[in-house]
Amino acid sequence: ETGVTQTPRHLVMGMTNKKSLKCEQHLGHNAMYWYKQSAKKPLELMFVYSLEERVENNSVPSRFSPECPNSSHLFLHLHTLQPEDSALYLCASSPWSDEKLFFGSGTQLSVL
Amino acid sequence: GENVEQHPSTLSVQEGDSAVIKCTYSDSASNYFPWYKQELGKRPQLIIDIRSNVGEKKDQRIAVTLNKTAKHFSLHITETQPEDSAVYFCAATLVSGGYNKLIFGAGTRLAVHP
Repeated sequence: ETGVTQTPRHLVMGMTNKKSLKCEQHLGHNAMYWYKQSAKKPLELMFVYSLEERVENNSVPSRFSPECPNSSHLFLHLHTLQPEDSALYLCASSPWSDEKLFFGSGTQLSVL
Repeated sequence: GENVEQHPSTLSVQEGDSAVIKCTYSDSASNYFPWYKQELGKRPQLIIDIRSNVGEKKDQRIAVTLNKTAKHFSLHITETQPEDSAVYFCAATLVSGGYNKLIFGAGTRLAVHP
């Protein structure tokens, strides 16, 4: 276990649903990340938060909305998704003093 | 921005043989190069990393080499074992400001046959 916990592990949703993915770390890390992992693409960086401030937003569609209420929690709010958004969504965190990223187990999302 | 190319996409070796995976990056400012291993259904896990001020790093059966001039780095696994079978990802980033923006290669699926 890396200390980064994601819930739920699996999620099936319709295109009109609203759902949220949750990520939690109690490692004292200052930065948190959302990555998307699709079957035939590299891990894609979506968002980066450092000290609860969004510092990167990699041209992600507005149907994905991140939220970082404090340094231990990160959410990804989903609304009006498309079938091509089906993927594994990975959360990660890193400490201020180290470049290493620690990943959660991911949420496997299926959009019907 | 950074772009990372990884080859080969699949690699099949016999147990005991060596495996080499290669990556190239585009941004000469990148200074941190980790390698992650992802087993089926599991999270990516860091197995080794190297910084731009170092040319080679070893940890038991795995080693990473970095050629800054050519902008490429490689993962070497010696004496492969079936449990080494997984997808391996290289990544590159410029570390600054307390966070990093890791850009990953497409991955190499390594199969080690007994």
